[in-house]
Amino acid sequence: EVQLVQSGAEMKKPGDSLKISCKASGYSFTGQWIAWVRQMPGRGLEYMGIIYPGDSDTRYTPAFEGQVTISADKSISTVFLQWSSLKASDSALYFCARGAPMFGSFDNWGQGTQVTVSS
Amino acid sequence: VMTQSPATLSVSPGERATLSCRASQSVMSNVAWYQQKPGQAPRLLIYGSFTRAIGIPARFSGSGAGTEFTLTISSLQSEDAAVYYCQQHDKWPTWTFGQGTKVEIK
Repeated sequence: EVQLVQSGAEMKKPGDSLKISCKASGYSFTGQWIAWVRQMPGRGLEYMGIIYPGDSDTRYTPAFEGQVTISADKSISTVFLQWSSLKASDSALYFCARGAPMFGSFDNWGQGTQVTVSS
Repeated sequence: VMTQSPATLSVSPGERATLSCRASQSVMSNVAWYQQKPGQAPRLLIYGSFTRAIGIPARFSGSGAGTEFTLTISSLQSEDAAVYYCQQHDKWPTWTFGQGTKVEIK
C-alpha cells in the first residue's frame, strides 16, 4: 500500500527556521515525482515545487522560488520542505503528494502538516 | 488560470451533478480533478481529462479538451458531498488549481 506520512503540526515564531518531512512507503521512492502543495483558507491549493528523488531534480513554481527549499533523502525515503526564516504569511496546511500516473497528476497524498507562525 | 463554476452546487441524491472548469488558454487534455472532504487530503478522481484513477467509482466521469472541461457525477451519493478542484498539468511550472466547487446534498 502506497503511503505518505507527514510530520506533525508546528507552531513557530517569525524568523524561525523549519523543516517538515514526508516519508514514503509502498512503492519505488526514487521512481516518481513528489510535490509539495500549500493550502491556505480562502486561497485553495497551490503547487510549491516538485522533486524527483532518483536524481534530486527539483523545480519550483515562481511564487516559491527562493522562499523554500525542497530536498530528498533516498536512504530514508523521505522528502523535506524547509524555510530558513518563517513569516506569518507562511501559516498554512502543507501537503506532499506522489506524482502518478501521469506527469502532473498526483494519486497519493500525505495527511497534511499544519504550520502556524505567530509571535 | 483555471476558473470553476458554479462555486456551490446543491443536488438531490440520485441526480446528476455537472461541474465546469475553464482554462485561460489551451491546456490540451492535461486536466485532473480532485475531491476534498473536510479535514482530509485531496483525492485524485480523474487525470488526462477523462481517465478515472484507480478505485474511483464509474459514476465519476471527465470530459473536455483545450479550454473547457467538465466533471460529471452521474448519480449523486451522500458521500459525494465535498469540494471538487480541477487542475491543469500541461506545462510545469504553470500547474494551477481552480478555486473549487462545493457540492452539497439537497
